[in-house]
Amino acid sequence: YELTQPPSVSVSPGQTASITCSGDKLGDKYVYWYQQKPGQSPVLVIYQDNKRPSGIPERFSGSNSGNTATLTISGTQAVDEADYYCQTWDSSTVVFGGGTKLTVL
Amino acid sequence: EVQLVESGGGLVQPGGSLRLSCAASGFTFTDYWMSWVRQAPGKGLEWVANIKQDGSEKYYVDSVKGRFTISRDNAKNSLCLQMNSLRADDTAVYYCAREGSGGTTFFDYWGQGILVTVSS
Repeated sequence: YELTQPPSVSVSPGQTASITCSGDKLGDKYVYWYQQKPGQSPVLVIYQDNKRPSGIPERFSGSNSGNTATLTISGTQAVDEADYYCQTWDSSTVVFGGGTKLTVL
Repeated sequence: EVQLVESGGGLVQPGGSLRLSCAASGFTFTDYWMSWVRQAPGKGLEWVANIKQDGSEKYYVDSVKGRFTISRDNAKNSLCLQMNSLRADDTAVYYCAREGSGGTTFFDYWGQGILVTVSS
């Protein structure tokens, strides 16, 4: 099973960033999103498609339907610049997307 | 506060062995599946292996089957990864990660990571 993400996404401060994750019938599975800043460990920002862990800002949201899941960051801030990875689970195997570098410029 | 602290990394020659450990604290260790996830330099995340709360079930990514063994010591709140027959493409930062609850595998807490370098 494979998950496909765009290598990079750019957004202006204050605008909305959308990062996609595609996979066969992905909407039938739960999708998770992680943020990783340079030199740091990943942090879970969305679980079960659209839930935010405690401490994650409300500007982070998620959706999942059909073959595509989307991480949306509303009112993007400079601190959101990072790599983002989607993840799902299929046949007892964890699958990560290749990651998307979000640039805030 | 949940803490996961990895140790045991370093430089090893191809074909060699290394044992990683992860000390867990701040939560009831026996309530959770645990995983190892790795990240090669400049690359993305790759799940390596996981283990059930009582150690009765273990799963591995195909590329490490037969070479790596995951284990846990619930009395010591520790997770281990025994890595044998190491190859250059095993070079990565290895993260210990706690799996979240809910019936599918995801990772709600991660350690700081430990670097394993396989090189002659």
